[in-house]
Amino acid sequence: NAGVTQTPKFRILKIGQSMTLQCTQDMNHNYMYWYRQDPGMGLKLIYYSVGAGITDKGEVPNGYNVSRSTTEDFPLRLELAAPSQTSVYFCASSARRDSNSNQPQHFGDGTRLSIL
Amino acid sequence: AQSVAQPEDQVNVAEGNPLTVKCTYSVSGNPYLFWYVQYPNRGLQFLLKYITGDNLVKGSYGFEAEFNKSQTSFHLKKPSALVSDSALYFCAVRDPNTGFQKLVFGTGTRLLVSP
Repeated sequence: NAGVTQTPKFRILKIGQSMTLQCTQDMNHNYMYWYRQDPGMGLKLIYYSVGAGITDKGEVPNGYNVSRSTTEDFPLRLELAAPSQTSVYFCASSARRDSNSNQPQHFGDGTRLSIL
Repeated sequence: AQSVAQPEDQVNVAEGNPLTVKCTYSVSGNPYLFWYVQYPNRGLQFLLKYITGDNLVKGSYGFEAEFNKSQTSFHLKKPSALVSDSALYFCAVRDPNTGFQKLVFGTGTRLLVSP
């Protein structure tokens, strides 16, 4: 049971380059999320999705874009990489059981991204 | 807006002793509270949650948390710490005004259990 899979695990980018962080889940979860984790700052929500074709901005969306064409996949795109985007990125998913939806989030192991 | 505070950057405890990792919250409405643990180079793992009901919530790996509405706290506890419990612990609160699990995380507390 793979759960949430993120690729790549590590990446170094030059300023101005673009890349896509991949995330896929095999649990048929409706909800998916992208977070960034910076030292001493906890996790900040970048974007989220409540289902295929539906995405919305989180707390820190600037400089990022997402798409959700399938239930399984939720890629995160950086168009013009900046040093401030150096971080560890986590993808997560959770099930929708009821209208309140307090199911646990399942996390991938992260992508460590450095922008130089 | 909801928020979570974890006042201790690090907690040190000897193996076999009880441990407490503190969390206080601020939210309008009924709080939905969560604890997650992160081991090195891994994603977060769910430990337990409080939605409603008993103030003492039991979770994975022998952890429990006590919800205290008057003190707006949700401290994580374990009666007897293990070296393997050493990790980074995050408290989180869910926005009760959305029908979606939009969590706000604390800054994390590093737990170090010494042999």
